[in-house]
Amino acid sequence: DAKTTQPTSMDCAEGRAANLPCNHSTISGNEYVYWYRQIHSQGPQYIIHGLKNNETNEMASLIITEDRKSSTLILPHATLRDTAVYYCIVRVGRAGGTSYGKLTFGQGTILTVHP
Amino acid sequence: KAGVTQTPRYLIKTRGQQVTLSCSPISGHRSVSWYQQTPGQGLQFLFEYFSETQRNKGNFPGRFSGRQFSNSRSEMNVSTLELGDSALYLCASSPGLAGGTDTQYFGPGTRLTVL
Repeated sequence: DAKTTQPTSMDCAEGRAANLPCNHSTISGNEYVYWYRQIHSQGPQYIIHGLKNNETNEMASLIITEDRKSSTLILPHATLRDTAVYYCIVRVGRAGGTSYGKLTFGQGTILTVHP
Repeated sequence: KAGVTQTPRYLIKTRGQQVTLSCSPISGHRSVSWYQQTPGQGLQFLFEYFSETQRNKGNFPGRFSGRQFSNSRSEMNVSTLELGDSALYLCASSPGLAGGTDTQYFGPGTRLTVL
């Protein structure tokens, strides 16, 4: 699976949009971009994923650049409860062998939402 | 639908003992993956089970083992506990589909402390 690079930490004011970048310059054509977040000592929470088109759900939007080498997770109106570690993960699109079930987590971005 | 459940939530053991952790996946999910999270190593993949068979395994010693039952519930076992096994153990379930569309959903984790 491709490696991802994220900023170590980011701040955001409550009510404003939080834009979390992720670089995955070595992504392959069949690899998906996944985002999870983890609030302190809880299990990671799935947010969104995409292949090449932009995606939106009730939690967030995912913007993937045309060359697919980077993406941005957007939380449109951040709240204090969005304070968490956000993980960007690239995962191969076709299961088999060493890809079954395996998500490779990096260090993620610590997002702090302040009043 | 009920989420992924893990029992127990907290556990204290002493060195040399063994421990068994349990995971009940989301109804209808056939794949269960296990992860270990420590402050030093982050989130690391242990193994994945699908239809009672281990399909993938991470880089952990043989003291870490698991199994899956016909109802998709899974257990993991750690024998001869070491201090370094103190960690948050996370279970994730997914439908078990091929590759990138097989979204994993995590449980709350079991916090294991080895004294």
